[in-house]
Amino acid sequence: GEDVEQSLFLSVREGDSSVINCTYTDSSSTYLYWYKQEPGAGLQLLTYIFSNMDMKQDQRLTVLLNKKDKHLSLRIADTQTGDSAIYFCAETIDASGGSYIPTFGRGTSLIVHP
Amino acid sequence: EAGVVQSPRYKIIEKKQPVAFWCNPISGHNTLYWYLQNLGQGPELLIRYENEEAVDDSQLPKDRFSAERLKGVDSTLKIQPAELGDSAVYLCASSSGEGPYNEQFFGPGTRLTVL
Repeated sequence: GEDVEQSLFLSVREGDSSVINCTYTDSSSTYLYWYKQEPGAGLQLLTYIFSNMDMKQDQRLTVLLNKKDKHLSLRIADTQTGDSAIYFCAETIDASGGSYIPTFGRGTSLIVHP
Repeated sequence: EAGVVQSPRYKIIEKKQPVAFWCNPISGHNTLYWYLQNLGQGPELLIRYENEEAVDDSQLPKDRFSAERLKGVDSTLKIQPAELGDSAVYLCASSSGEGPYNEQFFGPGTRLTVL
């Protein structure tokens, strides 16, 4: 089966870097995603990484993937108060017959304080 | 371009009453998802549609939940009768295609409270 785990909370000071971690169990994961959810809103895709990549950088965001340890991380540089939200790690796996089922972690609540 | 639209945004009902949620996906998106999000949890897939066809409904409690997507566009999720444990946020999402890369666009959700 598949399972995605994240730490529940992270508190950082404005201007510092934030690192949110995620572990997954299914080695057949194809794509891994980071979504952001602000209060009262749906999830918004921030970035993704294909399973044959080790790293992906997109402006202030850096995604690192360690397939051996099944560990995914999201680094936010120069964290701002507007980055305060819940961040979800997600994976898609091939369930059967080309059906790719998304599985989400419980989310990490990022709190940015001045 | 309009995003995924859901209504109502909030619904409060008494247990054993029926309730329905509506979703309008992004124009042209063939794939539509309904998720359940409990407090402090990530979304859990209830049902996935490819056009009009429900291709994955294994997590949908079929004794009380039903869904439809007539004409392959809008979708409705119904609960009858509602139970206290159904209090949650119901999210609708859509995406443009199949395959492993699957960016889903989420609506704001319907927050259901069952009293």
